[in-house]
Amino acid sequence: DVKVTQSSRYLVKRTGEKVFLECVQDMDHENMFWYRQDPGLGLRLIYFSYDVKMKEKGDIPEGYSVSREKKERFSLILESASTNQTSMYLCASSPVARGNEKLFFGSGTQLSVL
Amino acid sequence: AQSVSQHNHHVILSEAASLELGCNYSYGGTVNLFWYVQYPGQHLQLLLKYFSGDPLVKGIKGFEAEFIKSKFSFNLRKPSVQWSDTAEYFCAVNAGDMRFGAGTRLTVKP
Repeated sequence: DVKVTQSSRYLVKRTGEKVFLECVQDMDHENMFWYRQDPGLGLRLIYFSYDVKMKEKGDIPEGYSVSREKKERFSLILESASTNQTSMYLCASSPVARGNEKLFFGSGTQLSVL
Repeated sequence: AQSVSQHNHHVILSEAASLELGCNYSYGGTVNLFWYVQYPGQHLQLLLKYFSGDPLVKGIKGFEAEFIKSKFSFNLRKPSVQWSDTAEYFCAVNAGDMRFGAGTRLTVKP
C-alpha cells in the first residue's frame, strides 16, 4: 500500500515561529499536495508540486512556502506562524502528472499557533 | 482554476432513508470527478470517481454518482443509508490539480 507519512500528528507553536511540516511518500509519485482543512471550508489547496524542485501555488499560498528537493519529500513552511494558520494540514500524493488518479492522503498534522 | 460547490453543509437522516448530496463545479474543459469520504478520526478515502464513459458510476459501500455535463453536476446518491455512513463527504474536481468542495457532514440516526 502507498504510504504518505506526515512527521507530526500534533504541533503547538507560538506566533512568529518558523514552522516546518514534513511529508514523505514511498511510492515514487510525481505529484504532491498540501491542503489545509477547516470546518465548513473543506480542503483548500495551498501548494502542489509535479516534480522535484517544481512548485505551483494553490488557492491560499499566502504565508506559506514549500520545498521539494527530493521526489519523495514535500515540505510546507510557515515563515512566521500566525494564529489564523491554526488548522489541520493534509499532505497528499498521486502517481501521474495530470488529473485522473486519486490522491493518497497522510493522516494530517493538527497545528495550533498560540 | 476550477471550483467546487457542495450545497449542503450538514444533512441528518434516519437509517434506511435515501441520500443525495449535491456537487456542482465550474470549469469549461475536461474534468475528472471524485467523491471522497472521511469517517471520524480517519483519513480521506476515495468513494468513487468519474473519468469518462457511463456517467453513472458506482463506488464502494453502495454509493453511486451521476455526472450531468450540461448541469456541471456530480451528485452522490445512496438508496438506503446506514448508521455507519455517518461521515464527512467531499466532492473534488481534477483539471490539472485537485480542488475540493467545502464538504457535507452526514449524520445518520440509528
